[in-house]
Amino acid sequence: NAGVTQTPKFQVLKTGQSMTLQCAQDMNHNSMYWYRQDPGMGLRLIYYSASEGTTDKGEVPNGYNVSRLNKREFSLRLESAAPSQTSVYFCASSSPGSPRDYGYTFGSGTRLTVV
Amino acid sequence: SQQGEEDPQALSIQEGENATMNCSYKTSINNLQWYRQNSGRGLVHLILIRSNEREKHSGRLRVTLDTSKKSSSLLITASRAADTASYFCATRNDMRFGAGTRLTVKP
Repeated sequence: NAGVTQTPKFQVLKTGQSMTLQCAQDMNHNSMYWYRQDPGMGLRLIYYSASEGTTDKGEVPNGYNVSRLNKREFSLRLESAAPSQTSVYFCASSSPGSPRDYGYTFGSGTRLTVV
Repeated sequence: SQQGEEDPQALSIQEGENATMNCSYKTSINNLQWYRQNSGRGLVHLILIRSNEREKHSGRLRVTLDTSKKSSSLLITASRAADTASYFCATRNDMRFGAGTRLTVKP
């Protein structure tokens, strides 16, 4: 099925551990995004990639790094996890400004707990 | 602050009733989108309205856009228990989402 695939779906980390969240889309979208969502709150933009080869900081980038590996894949890395990074992480993709701009397509999320 | 802000924060209605939620934004937009999020799931795109459109329909959904007031509304007619979810608006410009409206439809 076409869409955005995130892995893993669940992860528990110890404080200080590192991990990479993977995201891939097969809709040929130019732009990809990483958001986090905390209980009762909206989504906050961590990083985005407007096109292959570019990445930019969003609203809450501290403690994270990203890589736009190719047009399909956009990964999010936590170098030294902290309990404040316990959250649900969503990847999304879109093609803004194109005739086929139908908004964002979201993955199903990664639920991360840092203990 | 967020570009798109939804209100009310929470809405509880009976099945069969209509539900209306609103979104306000601050700067000019190219389009505005509405999304639904079921508990623990990703956001699902519902409908997109462009800045030169005033109203759009999709099934039981009706979206209006008033660019002079920088606001949009989402109307869900004849609501069902399955419509229970959080609803978010977003504008293309700054990739931000508000806190959403949490809709509960009671059977």
